[in-house]
Amino acid sequence: QLQLQESGPGLVKPSETLSLICTVSGGYMSHSSYSWGWIRQPPGEGLEWIGSIYYNESTYYNPSLKSRVTISVDTSKNQFSLNLRSVTAADTAVYYCARPIYGMDVWGQGTTVTVSS
Amino acid sequence: EIVLTQSPATLSLSPGERATLSCRASQSVSSYLAWYQQKPGQAPRLLIFDASNRAIGIPARFSGSGSGTDFTLTISSLEPEDFAVYYCQQRSNWPLTFGGGTKVEIK
Repeated sequence: QLQLQESGPGLVKPSETLSLICTVSGGYMSHSSYSWGWIRQPPGEGLEWIGSIYYNESTYYNPSLKSRVTISVDTSKNQFSLNLRSVTAADTAVYYCARPIYGMDVWGQGTTVTVSS
Repeated sequence: EIVLTQSPATLSLSPGERATLSCRASQSVSSYLAWYQQKPGQAPRLLIFDASNRAIGIPARFSGSGSGTDFTLTISSLEPEDFAVYYCQQRSNWPLTFGGGTKVEIK
C-alpha cells in the first residue's frame, strides 16, 4: 500500500527558503503514468495546488508561485522535494504531498510550516 | 486559470438526509473533475474522480455527476461520519485548481 510522508522544518524565517521532502513507501515512483505533487492549506482556508512533477522530471507550477518554487524528484531515494524561496507569513500553511493521477488518490498526513522570525 | 465555484458554502442537514453539493467551472473541464472530503486535522480523501467514478473503498452513498461546467456530488443518506468539508478539483488544464469548499454540518 503506497504511503507518503512529509518531512522538514516546522518554522522558517521570513525571506528564507522553505524546504520539504516527501518520502514514498510501499511502491515505486518511476511508473510512467505517475506524477507527484504538493498542495498547501493556510490556516482556516481551502486547498491550493503548488505544483507537480512527472517521472521524466517534467514540472508544472502554480503561476502564483512559479517564480519562487522548485519541485524535484530523486527516484533512487523514493523521494520528491519542494523548495519555496523568499517566504513570507502568507506562506504559513499545512503542506501536503500527494499523488495526482485521475484524482489525488494518495496523500501524506501533512506538515505544518510557520513563517515567523 | 479555471475557477471552480462551490455552492452552497454551508449545508445544514440531519443524519439520514440527502446532500446535494454543486461545483461550477468557469470553462469546460470535460469530465476531469474530482471530489474530496476533508475532516478537521486530516488530509483530504479522494471520493470521486473523473466526475462520476468512486475511488477505491468509497461507499455507494457517494455519487458524482455532471460534465462540462456543472457538477454535483450527492450523498444519498448522510451518516454521522459524513459531516465534513468537501472540495472539487479539476485536472483539465494547468494549473490544477480547487473549489473553495462546502461544509456539511449537522443541523
